[in-house]
Amino acid sequence: GESVGLHLPTLSVQEGDNSIINCAYSNSASDYFIWYKQESGKGPQFIIDIRSNMDKRQGQRVTVLLNKTVKHLSLQIAATQPGDSAVYFCAAREGYSTLTFGKGTMLLVSP
Amino acid sequence: GAVVSQHPSRVICKSGTSVKIECRSLDFQATTMFWYRQFPKQSLMLMATSNEGSKATYEQGVEKDKFLINHASLTLSTLTVTSAHPEDSSFYICSARLAAEAFFGQGTRLTVV
Repeated sequence: GESVGLHLPTLSVQEGDNSIINCAYSNSASDYFIWYKQESGKGPQFIIDIRSNMDKRQGQRVTVLLNKTVKHLSLQIAATQPGDSAVYFCAAREGYSTLTFGKGTMLLVSP
Repeated sequence: GAVVSQHPSRVICKSGTSVKIECRSLDFQATTMFWYRQFPKQSLMLMATSNEGSKATYEQGVEKDKFLINHASLTLSTLTVTSAHPEDSSFYICSARLAAEAFFGQGTRLTVV
């Protein structure tokens, strides 16, 4: 099986700071990774994804970094805003298999 | 992006009754949908994979007779929690696959009293 875990359960930052959320995965055959944002009482919302043939991908204010050597994934949020406060999950998948979710990190942004 | 609609968003039911949750892909067809369960402050746990026109595939430890899944069309999957008990109270989330991506419904908060 595959396990995907996060290093930090809670991350508190000040508004305007950059946030970095980390994730480790165990299955070296995972080839597709996604970051989701989940607000309280809602379903996960897609943020950004990356395939294993890349090591970096940028979106609007977000960047995902993939280090396949150490099986590590990170999500960087630039200029964090109070609206970014949520739980962030990484998920990994091998081929067309089901997604495996990490434990989640709660991001708390103080104004 | 693609939209997945889940209904109801909240439901309270009495112990021993059954509850049906619907998951619809609104602007795309999904041959595969997934049902997850999430406890407070925990991650999503896959319950089953719902395949249109065939039986669902349940994860280990999930009772298929308790959590009935029907995927009768390419846009609708339903999860029925039968003879619900308080320990079934949870947040249930569906997702539908479109190409490589998975799109999630809004979730259903089930409370069994």
